[in-house]
Amino acid sequence: EPEVTQTPSHQVTQMGQEVILRCVPISNHLYFYWYRQILGQKVEFLVSFYNNEISEKSEIFDDQFSVERPDGSNFTLKIRSTKLEDSAMYFCASSVGTSNQPQHFGDGTRLSIL
Amino acid sequence: QQQVKQSPQSLIVQKGGISIINCAYENTAFDYFPWYQQFPGKGPALLIAIRPDVSEKKEGRFTISFNKSAKQFSLHIMDSQPGDSATYFCAASKASGANNLFFGTGTRLTVIP
Repeated sequence: EPEVTQTPSHQVTQMGQEVILRCVPISNHLYFYWYRQILGQKVEFLVSFYNNEISEKSEIFDDQFSVERPDGSNFTLKIRSTKLEDSAMYFCASSVGTSNQPQHFGDGTRLSIL
Repeated sequence: QQQVKQSPQSLIVQKGGISIINCAYENTAFDYFPWYQQFPGKGPALLIAIRPDVSEKKEGRFTISFNKSAKQFSLHIMDSQPGDSATYFCAASKASGANNLFFGTGTRLTVIP
């Protein structure tokens, strides 16, 4: 069964550094999402992406965040200048369409900011 | 602002028993309600989902009950097994836009043998 893959599984970064989280969505999916989960808390929506542009973003997704689909397979989340509070699990998800099509999640990247 | 409220926070059930997790929402624009199962170190995995045009959906041992007027929905796990021990999240999304999911706070289910 096709799956969403994320790399790295764990990223440790110094505060203030830039970090790029990578995702390979399911190949025939058109909608891509990033969510985050702070330890012990709920999963929170960050941003959705379709047709090479942001569809929606949450209040969390401020100017420090950006997303990109640099080629036909990868979908990346960049945090320009990391803060301690950015420490969380970051999940990528994809779906074949909207109209409430299921979103399939990767296993996440654990981001630890020191 | 908490769009989706979930309870209980944790649940312990005997093997073979019924696990019940409840969620409530406020936004009447929501029209898709999935449940996700998450094991430690893994991403959320879609378990079952319902749309508000039906009051119940069953897949194997998992059933969603939906009460549109009360704006509540629940997950019932029949004949609970130790392998069902995981964290369960309810979620909701709107038909319009990119269908980003609003998650509940999660329920940690433990099924004891």
